[in-house]
Amino acid sequence: KNEVEQSPQNLTAQEGEFITINCSYSVGISALHWLQQHPGGGIVSLFMLSSGKKKHGRLIATINIQEKHSSLHITASHPRDSAVYICAVTSGKLIFGQGTELSVKP
Amino acid sequence: DAGVIQSPRHEVTEMGQEVTLRCKPISGHNSLFWYRQTMMRGLELLIYFNNNVPIDDSGMPEDRFSAKMPNASFSTLKIQPSEPRDSAVYFCASRSGGAHEQYFGPGTRLTVT
Repeated sequence: KNEVEQSPQNLTAQEGEFITINCSYSVGISALHWLQQHPGGGIVSLFMLSSGKKKHGRLIATINIQEKHSSLHITASHPRDSAVYICAVTSGKLIFGQGTELSVKP
Repeated sequence: DAGVIQSPRHEVTEMGQEVTLRCKPISGHNSLFWYRQTMMRGLELLIYFNNNVPIDDSGMPEDRFSAKMPNASFSTLKIQPSEPRDSAVYFCASRSGGAHEQYFGPGTRLTVT
């Protein structure tokens, strides 16, 4: 079993839909990260959080330390949000989930 | 700031050849990470340095892989001899002090034929 599990693995949505991507982990962590990887391959850090909730534009990330679970929400999704979203945890080193491939159709 | 710089961006080589990937971290960052991304295994940490010293190299696949950081502004990842299964995208990332956020380079896409 992977130490960081994401769901779903693939997600197709219509423009404007509210999107949720989930991440569960089984190790002790000092921080959790959400990364975005565009089709061109570049990786961008979206959020780093260790508790509660963070919001940046249409993106919201939450974490529940007790349940070892985090969610990434995208409101009013847009085709430019199409990317792979990767959850990673800092547990000594960075451990990555397998990623969620999101496709937003116009 | 130019961000993390990696070179080359693409490398195609034949099996058995030596490959050297290069990384320049963001100025002032004292931690540097090398990752490998494949379709099968996703992103994996290979090795990371803190203040130019290797801290954790448990992710380095085997003795064919070696990494160095001779100074705070430069690191190399070398594969000798290369094999087709080494084909992947190799990312370098850097981090400042006690911060958690890492900044990724654009990656080097390596193809070993």
